[in-house]
Amino acid sequence: DGGITQSPKYLFRKEGQNVTLSCEQNLNHDAMYWYRQDPGQGLRLIYYSQIVNDFQKGDIAEGYSVSREKKESFPLTVTSAQKNPTAFYLCASSNYRVPRNQPQHFGDGTRLSIL
Amino acid sequence: EDQVTQSPEALRLQEGESSSLNCSYTVSGLRGLFWYRQDPGKGPEFLFTLYSAGEEKEKERLKATLTKKESFLHITAPKPEDSATYLCAVQAHGETSGSRLTFGEGTQLTVNP
Repeated sequence: DGGITQSPKYLFRKEGQNVTLSCEQNLNHDAMYWYRQDPGQGLRLIYYSQIVNDFQKGDIAEGYSVSREKKESFPLTVTSAQKNPTAFYLCASSNYRVPRNQPQHFGDGTRLSIL
Repeated sequence: EDQVTQSPEALRLQEGESSSLNCSYTVSGLRGLFWYRQDPGKGPEFLFTLYSAGEEKEKERLKATLTKKESFLHITAPKPEDSATYLCAVQAHGETSGSRLTFGEGTQLTVNP
């Protein structure tokens, strides 16, 4: 079945450590997104990419980095510069090359915690 | 700056007790408004897209409506399995298709049997 796969489901980070969250989609979507969700808050956009080898900062990009080397993959690295990384991270994708908006479809998230 | 406000924050209903969730938005020209359902520990699941004032969409017990300033998600005769957090998001003109959304904080719905 087509969908978005995020891994791992749970991740723990030590102080000073970088960690990478995986996001793979087989929906043939051009655009991919990373969001952060904190308890009682809405989703906040970290980074997004509309085509391969191109990406833009969202509202809270500081302390994060991404790459988009393949259409299917959009990994997110949480660097040691991100001082409050504990959150639920959601990856999404959408069909970009259409006349009207298409909805974003989401993976089931990665929960990151600090040890 | 685009803003989305959802109310109430939490809503408890008895099974069969119909109600509505509200999504108020401020955006520099609405390109689309989206409703999602999110279960605990899961990613949001797409429900509806609304594009223009007066538009309505239905799916089972859910009906979404849109005006120039707000959207309502009406839940008719809810069942316990409708319990979830419902999220509203908007996309503004000026953003290319497939680009960024602004989300509200959600309404947590609990339906008791």
